[in-house]
Amino acid sequence: DAKTTQPPSMDCAEGRAANLPCNHSTISGNEYVYWYRQIHSQGPQYIIHGLKNNETNEMASLIITEDRKSSTLILPHATLRDTAVYYCIVLTSDKLIFGTGTRLQVFP
Amino acid sequence: DVKVTQSSRYLVKRTGEKVFLECVQDMDHENMFWYRQDPGLGLRLIYFSYDVKMKEKGDIPEGYSVSREKKERFSLILESASTNQTSMYLCASSLVRDYNEQFFGPGTRLTVL
Repeated sequence: DAKTTQPPSMDCAEGRAANLPCNHSTISGNEYVYWYRQIHSQGPQYIIHGLKNNETNEMASLIITEDRKSSTLILPHATLRDTAVYYCIVLTSDKLIFGTGTRLQVFP
Repeated sequence: DVKVTQSSRYLVKRTGEKVFLECVQDMDHENMFWYRQDPGLGLRLIYFSYDVKMKEKGDIPEGYSVSREKKERFSLILESASTNQTSMYLCASSLVRDYNEQFFGPGTRLTVL
């Protein structure tokens, strides 16, 4: 199964871009990369997903390297409400396998 | 907006009790999932269902069973609760089998004494 590696924690100043990295060096050609986040005391929330091309939606941008071995989630203007644990997931066998994620702390 | 609701936010039960955790979604989603979340272990899939009366084991099904009699409702059952089942339980739903934008409920924090 493809696995992901993320830093355990990151800080970001409010209003600045938050760039959250993820390594998935064993990803297969047809496996998607998904990002979710979990704000304290809530269930996880879907953010974005992609296969090869970069993706953008109202929440974030996803940049996937050409070799697909890593990706970066970008929150262009982080706010205090973006403080959460961010999970990078490689979809395997129709199942989302959550790791321990990156705890992003946005500070004023 | 999709809404996934869970019957309780907090639940305290005694060892050996039978426990029912209920989950309801209001957007006609086909797929429903039960996870548990423990510190340092992330979310782990217990059971999932792609259709009414259909269930499949996830990664940690031991000690649990599920029921899906109606499309909107997915129940997790602990036949005889044990202290190692103390955890946060999260229910999720998604629209179709290959589309994994899952919508999660708020979770039920279960404590087994």
